[in-house]
Amino acid sequence: AQSVTQPDIHITVSEGASLELRCNYSYGATPYLFWYVQSPGQGLQLLLKYFSGDTLVQGIKGFEAEFKRSQSSFNLRKPSVHWSDAAEYFCAVGVGSGGYNKLIFGAGTRLAVHP
Amino acid sequence: DGGITQSPKYLFRKEGQNVTLSCEQNLNHDAMYWYRQDPGQGLRLIYYSQIVNDFQKGDIAEGYSVSREKKESFPLTVTSAQKNPTAFYLCASSTQTGGPTGTQYFGPGTRLLVL
Repeated sequence: AQSVTQPDIHITVSEGASLELRCNYSYGATPYLFWYVQSPGQGLQLLLKYFSGDTLVQGIKGFEAEFKRSQSSFNLRKPSVHWSDAAEYFCAVGVGSGGYNKLIFGAGTRLAVHP
Repeated sequence: DGGITQSPKYLFRKEGQNVTLSCEQNLNHDAMYWYRQDPGQGLRLIYYSQIVNDFQKGDIAEGYSVSREKKESFPLTVTSAQKNPTAFYLCASSTQTGGPTGTQYFGPGTRLLVL
């Protein structure tokens, strides 16, 4: 069965520090991978996506993610975190199901940023 | 500006009452989705629709109903059969690509509370 695991429920970093949020997926075919960010009480905003090609994907707000097929991972990174990055981050895998695009989400990682 | 609107932002339901959440998009997207979000569980798919007058059950459809009479509108009704309706509800839409590569864009959400 397809699934997405985000091992870290909460992460706290200092402003200016680097960040890595982990995501592991389970899917038999070629995965289509997404990272979304959600501010409190808001909808989800797409940060970046991977469909094929270069395994290092650049997104908005200075985020990047690297697809590693051998590790079934799609970790999100940012070299220097800003206080405004505090939010909840969701990894998702897109799977084909009867001709439509279904997203399977991880449980999310809540990021806190210390000044 | 193109986007997805959801209303109301907060909704209160009394015991035994049906309530309807609105979702409208002006992105000219074919596919629309409803998700439920509970703390620590990520997003779970309730219903989706690929075209007008057609919709399919997602993973947790019991106690919910939808309609798709217009391309831009996909209202969700939470019926009295849904015994635990308190949650954050998110609507999304995407271009219908016939596969998992269509990116889903999300509305701002509706928080449903039980009185």
